[in-house]
Amino acid sequence: GAGVSQSPSNKVTEKGKDVELRCDPISGHTALYWYRQSLGQGLEFLIYFQGNSAPDKSGLPSDRFSAERTGGSVSTLTIQRTQQEDSAVYLCASSLAISQGNEQFFGPGTRLTVL
Amino acid sequence: GENVEQHPSTLSVQEGDSAVIKCTYSDSASNYFPWYKQELGKRPQLIIDIRSNVGEKKDQRIAVTLNKTAKHFSLHITETQPEDSAVYFCAVRDRTSYDKVIFGPGTSLSVIP
Repeated sequence: GAGVSQSPSNKVTEKGKDVELRCDPISGHTALYWYRQSLGQGLEFLIYFQGNSAPDKSGLPSDRFSAERTGGSVSTLTIQRTQQEDSAVYLCASSLAISQGNEQFFGPGTRLTVL
Repeated sequence: GENVEQHPSTLSVQEGDSAVIKCTYSDSASNYFPWYKQELGKRPQLIIDIRSNVGEKKDQRIAVTLNKTAKHFSLHITETQPEDSAVYFCAVRDRTSYDKVIFGPGTSLSVIP
């Protein structure tokens, strides 16, 4: 079946512009995560959606970052007034409800470059 | 919240030797511990996981051991091959934070032919 998809695969933007990154999770997966991975670095947790619960936004680095998940499916990560330090690969992952399984399936990522 | 540490940050072994990567965590309530492998330029993929009700799990050349008392778990790779070269991330499910999964900083493993 289809895996997690993300778009765009690459995004180049100018400093100060807003960007939107999209994630389509695997159908039926209730949990959705966003991570940021800078070159050669680890997976920095950004935000977590679990079913209808309020999202865990504790990893968002500043108020320029926001995310939403419409209808419990597609998620959009928005970065306003981008800065050069926002350049990284943004990874989305989804999983079944905890009671059904635990494996996170990652998308291919969006490589963001802020000039 | 949960804090996950991982050691070593880099590891180089000769082909055929074993590799061990260790992770420690802070929250004794955590109950699920997966390991992910990320090859260069690719997305992370689950390779093995363990729940808190068992102490060891094996899958061919890889195994994971868990010491709940000491709050650490380790990945063991035997008979390493060049294709094992990758970054390995441990992770912990934080029961105190809506079952959020937190990743360690990663270990870059190089297997020298």
